[in-house]
Amino acid sequence: EDQVTQSPEALRLQEGESSSLNCSYTVSGLRGLFWYRQDPGKGPEFLFTLYSAGEEKEKERLKATLTKKESFLHITAPKPEDSATYLCAVLPLRGAGSYQLTFGKGTKLSVIP
Amino acid sequence: SQTIHQWPATLVQPVGSPLSLECTVEGTSNPNLYWYRQAAGRGLQLLFYSVGIGQISSEVPQNLSASRPQDRQFILSSKKLLLSDSGFYLCAWSPAGNTIYFGEGSWLTVV
Repeated sequence: EDQVTQSPEALRLQEGESSSLNCSYTVSGLRGLFWYRQDPGKGPEFLFTLYSAGEEKEKERLKATLTKKESFLHITAPKPEDSATYLCAVLPLRGAGSYQLTFGKGTKLSVIP
Repeated sequence: SQTIHQWPATLVQPVGSPLSLECTVEGTSNPNLYWYRQAAGRGLQLLFYSVGIGQISSEVPQNLSASRPQDRQFILSSKKLLLSDSGFYLCAWSPAGNTIYFGEGSWLTVV
């Protein structure tokens, strides 16, 4: 069974204090790993897709990296508007014709001014 | 560009009443469509997905059903709601074999 574990569950940072969120996964063959941002009461917003170990992607203050067992979302010099819950999800190689993501429970990030 | 619309945004329904949540996608054709549920303290749970009109796959046995009457329309229904059906329901779409994009969600409270 595919599993995704995110840590920490919650993270409080001072504005400008860089840190990383972790996503550990177990899947029988990885087709892709996805990061989303979710604001309270809203649907998840797509951030990144990573397909193979060693791959990195960046967007503004966010950088996502991938190894064979985990992914990190690095936040550099965060601002209060980066406060949100960050979700990680994996897509296994099986399930051709569909798109059955397995999600972690998320990391709730709070950036304090 | 593609957009996804989901309604109603908020719904309060009594136990035993029916449910209909609707979702439409614009700007694309033949998308994969999905219904997810997000309960407090739990991850997103896939309920149904569809790869074409009339083709529905259920991931979790439950009190809910889904239908896809048109290419870009996806409906989540129930004949009789249970208290345990309360939650945040998300419609989503993807180009076949690609990233999933979510709607804004519908809050359902069963009282």
